[in-house]
Amino acid sequence: SYVLTQPPSVSVAPGQTARFTCGGHNIGSKTVHWYQQKPGQAPMLVVHDDTDRPSGIPERFAGSNSGTTATLTISRVEAGDEADYYCQVWHSGDLIWVFGGGTKLTVL
Amino acid sequence: QITLKESGPTLVKPTQTLTLTCTFSGFSLSTSGVGVGWIRQSPGKALEWLALVYWDDDQRYSPSLKSRLTITKDTSKNQVGLTLTNVDPVDTATYYCTHTYSSNYFDYWGQGTLVTVSS
Repeated sequence: SYVLTQPPSVSVAPGQTARFTCGGHNIGSKTVHWYQQKPGQAPMLVVHDDTDRPSGIPERFAGSNSGTTATLTISRVEAGDEADYYCQVWHSGDLIWVFGGGTKLTVL
Repeated sequence: QITLKESGPTLVKPTQTLTLTCTFSGFSLSTSGVGVGWIRQSPGKALEWLALVYWDDDQRYSPSLKSRLTITKDTSKNQVGLTLTNVDPVDTATYYCTHTYSSNYFDYWGQGTLVTVSS
């Protein structure tokens, strides 16, 4: 199977930059997708295919992927960005979808 | 506008079979490239992918739950079903229905339905 590793929490002050890492074996060879989940809500796609944003997602949300780590970066963090963030890949070896354990963003 | 909505029991007893239905609109499951999947989330835990069915009835399952899961589609009713046999309290979770199209990510999600397994 394939494992994606995310730190459990990230804390930043408003206006600062938040970075979420997602680690996996040779993850640079896969395409990574990111979801935001606010309390009591369903997840929402914020970045797909490493770097692309769905319509309506602010440019403050940016993704990157290389080597063994993919990263979601949120610039100029706002209180409304407080949520859990999950990375996800499709593992072709087993033909399955895999999620990371999620990172909770706290806006101080 | 694509929408998905999950329905099913809120409480199931251990060893019973859980049956969920996803009713969707705004797309057709007969369109090439379309898939509908199920993802669950135990309270306070991470997302877990369960199963997915494609427009051509290709079915994919989580290896750890494959023996207990069945996913079905009814294109005429715009519904996808999921059954999970022999449930246990660890199967208590919010179950989400999701849409994918010619990609490996989930661009639309249902609101989720909380299922509790308890005697």
